[in-house]
Amino acid sequence: DQQVKQNSPSLSVQEGRISILNCDYTNSMFDYFLWYKKYPAEGPTFLISISSIKDKNEDGRFTVFLNKSAKHLSLHIVPSQPGDSAVYFCAASVGSSNTGKLIFGQGTTLQVKP
Amino acid sequence: DAGITQSPRHKVTETGTPVTLRCHQTENHRYMYWYRQDPGHGLRLIHYSYGVKDTDKGEVSDGYSVSRSKTEDFLLTLESATSSQTSVYFCAISDEYSNQPQHFGDGTRLSIL
Repeated sequence: DQQVKQNSPSLSVQEGRISILNCDYTNSMFDYFLWYKKYPAEGPTFLISISSIKDKNEDGRFTVFLNKSAKHLSLHIVPSQPGDSAVYFCAASVGSSNTGKLIFGQGTTLQVKP
Repeated sequence: DAGITQSPRHKVTETGTPVTLRCHQTENHRYMYWYRQDPGHGLRLIHYSYGVKDTDKGEVSDGYSVSRSKTEDFLLTLESATSSQTSVYFCAISDEYSNQPQHFGDGTRLSIL
């Protein structure tokens, strides 16, 4: 039973356009949601997070939106750059994201074309 | 990655052999985690540690054991490796006093033939 799901295995966008990556979850007890980016042969790196008490968090080109009623979150990248091409994982935790267990989605491979 | 070293980075072994993967950190973080990454599954937690000699199971712990005898080292052991354990293994660390969530090493690619 997958508690965090990324239903789109891949996404391709043109450089300069918006990339929207989606994530759905089933556990209403999740307190934090995170996005990690992963390049080949490297470990995932933390990108941005959002608390369940908020509906938006922005950091530069990256914005995460949380819709608790729909149990859905999304990551917007504007403008997209070729260096953003990577696998993106959403993750969720009950309790602190620093000390709690993270549940990951399957990942979405983003390709940004020049 | 700075602060976390996984060894070996690559390993090929045969079914039935024991395998130990090492995660070493220099951050003095309290929490350490082992994940496996497989296509279609993302990252799944195998075991985690919340202090020296304090460990607990994750969602896919069958066939794996761990040990943490000192803060900086977290070992993952496959007692008798099976082909289903072919995967990429990631170690992560975190700490309640850090403003960052889990931080990952660069992974170990393990192939069991």
